[in-house]
Amino acid sequence: EPEVTQTPSHQVTQMGQEVILRCVPISNHLYFYWYRQILGQKVEFLVSFYNNEISEKSEIFDDQFSVERPDGSNFTLKIRSTKLEDSAMYFCASSESVRGNYEQYFGPGTRLTVT
Amino acid sequence: DAKTTQPNSMESNEEEPVHLPCNHSTISGTDYIHWYRQLPSQGPEYVIHGLTSNVNNRMASLAIAEDRKSSTLILHRATLRDAAVYYCILRGHSGGGADGLTFGKGTHLIIQP
Repeated sequence: EPEVTQTPSHQVTQMGQEVILRCVPISNHLYFYWYRQILGQKVEFLVSFYNNEISEKSEIFDDQFSVERPDGSNFTLKIRSTKLEDSAMYFCASSESVRGNYEQYFGPGTRLTVT
Repeated sequence: DAKTTQPNSMESNEEEPVHLPCNHSTISGTDYIHWYRQLPSQGPEYVIHGLTSNVNNRMASLAIAEDRKSSTLILHRATLRDAAVYYCILRGHSGGGADGLTFGKGTHLIIQP
C-alpha cells in the first residue's frame, strides 16, 4: 500500500540553525501539507501546497518557514532560523483532492529537537 | 470548519465494541464527517468518513444521526492496537484553497486487556 515517507525520523539542531525536513508524498497525489504537534498538544495545520505554490497557510507559518517541491517526488519544509519553540513533531500529508470526501494520508513524522 | 465536540477519554475492554461519539451541531449541509486516529508516537491515520448515510469499512463503521448533528464511530471488536486518540473532523465539500484539517483534542481511547 502506498505511503507517505519522511526523513529524518529525528533531527537535533541548535537554536538559530536552518533545518530542512523532507517528505515523499504518495505518487499520484496532488495536494501536500505540513502539520506540527508540540509534545502533549494538538496537531496543528501549517501549510498546504498545490501546483507548485502555497494554497493556504496558518498563522504559525511565518517568514521563518518555507516549503518547496524541488523535484517530482520530494516535498520539503525549511525552517530558516530555528527557535526553541519549534521543537515538535512535524507531519507531512498528501491527498488526491481537496474535496471533502477525500482523505489525507500522513507520514510517520520527524521529531525536531532544538537545543 | 464547523466545531466538533468529543469526550476527552473513554475506556473499553478488549474484544468488545466501542462507540465513540461526536457532536457537530453547527455542521453545514455539505460538510463531510471524517474520523482520524493517532496511535502513540505515530502520525494521524485516516479511519472513515461519511456525509449522510452510515458507512462501513475494514477498520470501523460510522453511524450518522438523521439530523447530522452527531455521529458515532464504531469499532466492532476493539483490540489493544486500537488504543489511540480518535479525532472527529468536519470537511467542507468544496475544499476551497486546500484547507488543512482542524484537529481538536480528540478522544483518548483506552483498551483494557
